[in-house]
Amino acid sequence: GNSVTQMEGPVTLSEEAFLTINCTYTATGYPSLFWYVQYPGEGLQLLLKATKADDKGSNKGFEATYRKETTSFHLEKGSVQVSDSAVYFCALSPLGGSNYKLTFGKGTLLTVNP
Amino acid sequence: GAVVSQHPSRVICKSGTSVKIECRSLDFQATTMFWYRQFPKKSLMLMATSNEGSKATYEQGVEKDKFLINHASLTLSTLTVTSAHPEDSSFYICSAREPGQGIGELFFGEGSRLTVL
Repeated sequence: GNSVTQMEGPVTLSEEAFLTINCTYTATGYPSLFWYVQYPGEGLQLLLKATKADDKGSNKGFEATYRKETTSFHLEKGSVQVSDSAVYFCALSPLGGSNYKLTFGKGTLLTVNP
Repeated sequence: GAVVSQHPSRVICKSGTSVKIECRSLDFQATTMFWYRQFPKKSLMLMATSNEGSKATYEQGVEKDKFLINHASLTLSTLTVTSAHPEDSSFYICSAREPGQGIGELFFGEGSRLTVL
């Protein structure tokens, strides 16, 4: 079956530090990959996505590249801000497009200190 | 952007009682909504897919008689936890897809934390 494994948190960084949150997946074929973010007290929001190998998703300074050879979709940001403090979820949607079911990782709590 | 709202955000109930959680799409019509359950330090687990005007489709291992899902209108889906027990305590999250959204793109509610005493 499909599965997503992301690095255990919590992650604590100082403002302007470099962020990497690792995510690897197991799936049949070529799924679409996503990063969702959940800010305190809010619902999950789509942060970025990639639908095929070598695609790079980017948004709000965050980036992730779909690596088929390593089945990975690591999230990176060059300089984090306090406002980036949230829980980050890696997720996949199976090949097919008509299936909107998402498989999530466990989430990684990021805390950025001023 | 589109907003999905859940109510209540927190509920505490006694063992044996039933609890209803509402999920509303506030500015779009959602023909399909999804209900997830999240255990501490674990990923979101899809419980069921709720389709407007028809029966929900439950994931393997989810008791349909325990978790009743009703999608009576294009903007409202409800999850009722029947005869709740302490092991049902969890964080329940709904999501909805707006027509025309891309693959896997969903709008999520804020979640509802259920505590069964």
